[in-house]
Amino acid sequence: GAVVSQHPSWVICKSGTSVKIECRSLDFQATTMFWYRQFPKQSLMLMATSNEGSKATYEQGVEKDKFLINHASLTLSTLTVTSAHPEDSSFYICSAGRGTYSNQPQHFGDGTRLSIL
Amino acid sequence: GESVGLHLPTLSVQEGDNSIINCAYSNSASDYFIWYKQESGKGPQFIIDIRSNMDKRQGQRVTVLLNKTVKHLSLQIAATQPGDSAVYFCAERGSNYKLTFGKGTLLTVNP
Repeated sequence: GAVVSQHPSWVICKSGTSVKIECRSLDFQATTMFWYRQFPKQSLMLMATSNEGSKATYEQGVEKDKFLINHASLTLSTLTVTSAHPEDSSFYICSAGRGTYSNQPQHFGDGTRLSIL
Repeated sequence: GESVGLHLPTLSVQEGDNSIINCAYSNSASDYFIWYKQESGKGPQFIIDIRSNMDKRQGQRVTVLLNKTVKHLSLQIAATQPGDSAVYFCAERGSNYKLTFGKGTLLTVNP
């Protein structure tokens, strides 16, 4: 069964709206979670690393004020797309590993399809 | 003209045949590699992994081969089934423990 749950699976909203996406690890604690963005027919691009109890680490070119990440507990990370515009429309996917520094694979949520009108 | 990234490599096979999906990775310091399967509208699903101190690992119907000399990774699927149709991504883990994904290969299995 799924070990990482993501919600919502699909969002359509007007330009200028802020949208929050949740990522939960279901049966393990994840001190680190990862947020990716995927455009159609393209690969996954890492946006940021979410660290429980501390600030997220953003990849080059990703606006931290645009994509707010909060990792308040060991099983929940949230990504908020602030003042979303049509160019933010994409497939957002989170992942978590049972041990960040071990040879354990990251498990992925089923993604959130974000469409900004 | 073509736009980079919009043309996914494709592989089409007949049901029952074996499939081989290839991946070239970039970082010689990567120590861990994973193959993921992604179906339409879903997140990547773990298939098999391999550490850099190995050159082959087998799972159920799948085998991963690692050639560090040429930085090449392959996924072999035996007796391919229609349910195997999906996009397959390789991913490498670098020294910073982050995953870098390959561009993906679309596998289509014809009944």
